[in-house]
Amino acid sequence: KAGVTQTPRYLIKTRGQQVTLSCSPISGHRSVSWYQQTPGQGLQFLFEYFSETQRNKGNFPGRFSGRQFSNSRSEMNVSTLELGDSALYLCASSSSGSFADTQYFGPGTRLTVL
Amino acid sequence: DQQVKQNSPSLSVQEGRISILNCDYTNSMFDYFLWYKKYPAEGPTFLISISSIKDKNEDGRFTVFLNKSAKHLSLHIVPSQPGDSAVYFCAASAVGVNDMRFGAGTRLTVKP
Repeated sequence: KAGVTQTPRYLIKTRGQQVTLSCSPISGHRSVSWYQQTPGQGLQFLFEYFSETQRNKGNFPGRFSGRQFSNSRSEMNVSTLELGDSALYLCASSSSGSFADTQYFGPGTRLTVL
Repeated sequence: DQQVKQNSPSLSVQEGRISILNCDYTNSMFDYFLWYKKYPAEGPTFLISISSIKDKNEDGRFTVFLNKSAKHLSLHIVPSQPGDSAVYFCAASAVGVNDMRFGAGTRLTVKP
């Protein structure tokens, strides 16, 4: 079974631009969660999608948005990029979305904002 | 608001000895706790979990201990191996809340 894939793996953008990251979950998984990892902050929860619906959202500004498609693939969008948005963005999938289910993480997209 | 804290950013142990990674949490609603391991350039991988109805869960060389009154959990690795060198994240969640909180991570280095 293929794992969680994320594209692109690396991105360099400048302040003010917008970016879209993509995540393909494990086949059969309907829940996709997004996390931001920065040094010293660990992993911070952005949002979780299940069956195309956003079920929960972390404490991030509205510049961070996402969506999920009918095939469970998910995209995350960040508009008006700021230097502080430089981070590793990870997505994770699970079958039911319960956090008691094992989440499987992708390798991440490293975003650098200049 | 860091509801899950890993106060040691790094830990170094000798191969064969015990590694103890610590994690504290502040939200008493958390009832499920997990540890993830992360190698460079890879996403975190699930290691072991524990629910709040237990105080210990063991899986091979890995044991997680939960002290609910102290809001503290720890991961013990015995014996430690060089391949265990990675960043370890502690995570916590509450039933019915689809929101997992992670600590900042502890970088474990196991020296041969």
